Amino acid sequence: KAGVTQTPRYLIKTRGQQVTLSCSPISGHRSVSWYQQTPGQGLQFLFEYFSETQRNKGNFPGRFSGRQFSNSRSEMNVSTLELGDSALYLCASSLDVRLGGNTDTQYFGPGTRLTVL
Amino acid sequence: GENVEQHPSTLSVQEGDSAVIKCTYSDSASNYFPWYKQELGKRPQLIIDIRSNVGEKKDQRIAVTLNKTAKHFSLHITETQPEDSAVYFCAASRANFGNEKLTFGTGTRLTIIP
Repeated sequence: KAGVTQTPRYLIKTRGQQVTLSCSPISGHRSVSWYQQTPGQGLQFLFEYFSETQRNKGNFPGRFSGRQFSNSRSEMNVSTLELGDSALYLCASSLDVRLGGNTDTQYFGPGTRLTVL
Repeated sequence: GENVEQHPSTLSVQEGDSAVIKCTYSDSASNYFPWYKQELGKRPQLIIDIRSNVGEKKDQRIAVTLNKTAKHFSLHITETQPEDSAVYFCAASRANFGNEKLTFGTGTRLTIIP
């Protein structure tokens, strides 16, 4: 099976702009989670989507939002970009235990490196 | 919420020796503990995981132990090789509660000295 894919891989934006990142999960995976990775804060949970619904949310401002489509692909959006939003944004997908898989085993994509100037 | 502490932040070991990385967690309801390896510029890759109904799990040179009472778990790598050099992250979650959020430790940079 193909792994988790993310597009674009690299992105450069300026302050105040907005950005949309895309994640395609492993085929058959229904849960998609997003994480922000920075040298200072490490890996931090943004939100998780399952069946097009946001099921969990981390402690990030409302400028960070996401959605999931019926094919389980997910997008996250960051509006009014700030310098501190520069980070590697990782998505991870997993099966749902109710569907016979281990919902807790998450597989990561390669990430999108966002640089805000 | 859950808090995961990881030690040490850096670790250097001679090739062939063993490496141990330790993590503690705060949420007694956490029941799933994965370990990820991240090489420079690469994605985190799951190397081993353990669930709260098991005290130890081994996969070739890698083993993980869990002490639920003390709320800590450890990664053990034996017979280390240069390709083991990477940053290792522990994590914890309350899996199967519809809450698959992983809370990560701050990472350990492991360097294997040839």
